[in-house]
Amino acid sequence: DGGITQSPKYLFRKEGQNVTLSCEQNLNHDAMYWYRQDPGQGLRLIYYSQIVNDFQKGDIAEGYSVSREKKESFPLTVTSAQKNPTAFYLCASSPTSGRGNSYEQYFGPGTRLTVT
Amino acid sequence: KNQVEQSPQSLIILEGKNCTLQCNYTVSPFSNLRWYKQDTGRGPVSLTIMTFSENTKSNGRYTATLDADTKQSSLHITASQLSDSASYICVVSAGGATNKLIFGTGTLLAVQP
Repeated sequence: DGGITQSPKYLFRKEGQNVTLSCEQNLNHDAMYWYRQDPGQGLRLIYYSQIVNDFQKGDIAEGYSVSREKKESFPLTVTSAQKNPTAFYLCASSPTSGRGNSYEQYFGPGTRLTVT
Repeated sequence: KNQVEQSPQSLIILEGKNCTLQCNYTVSPFSNLRWYKQDTGRGPVSLTIMTFSENTKSNGRYTATLDADTKQSSLHITASQLSDSASYICVVSAGGATNKLIFGTGTLLAVQP
């Protein structure tokens, strides 16, 4: 898991509530990413950030929001607008500002979110 | 459409045996191909990363091959151990302006004693 931490490991929420997932890295990486992993599917990109105070939508950004106020932190908020929020969420960082190019992406341990 | 397909979907082998996992991709343009190991409930960990010009790369008992002409890659695990039980994910990085990562769905490997 390198120097990336995600908290909490398990999170339970009631439908209709917003919830924020934490991601912190001490690798001094410029780029950070949020992915969602569902059974039987490959990881899908939600949002990514190349630099502080800037971020871009990934493939499935609807119902999610992010902020990048500090280089080390990239929290993800799952809003009530996300229709199927129950999933395993993975944060990653990369030592480049690219959107996942030849530089390695290092993943955190993940947060499993269950919404009932 | 950019896609990464892995086979088999799951595999059971006995401890000490070898196995080979397959990855076929239709990603263009191509930048590099990566293999990750993901233990259950954990984040993926990188095993190898290969660019267009690399045919093979090893990381301990793991050896990845790449045939850029046929757009195929394989991951060979030698002398398997119980700790090799995990999901192995093939990921292709698309070059060009988007530089997007395309993830396979993974091969779930179970090593039994």
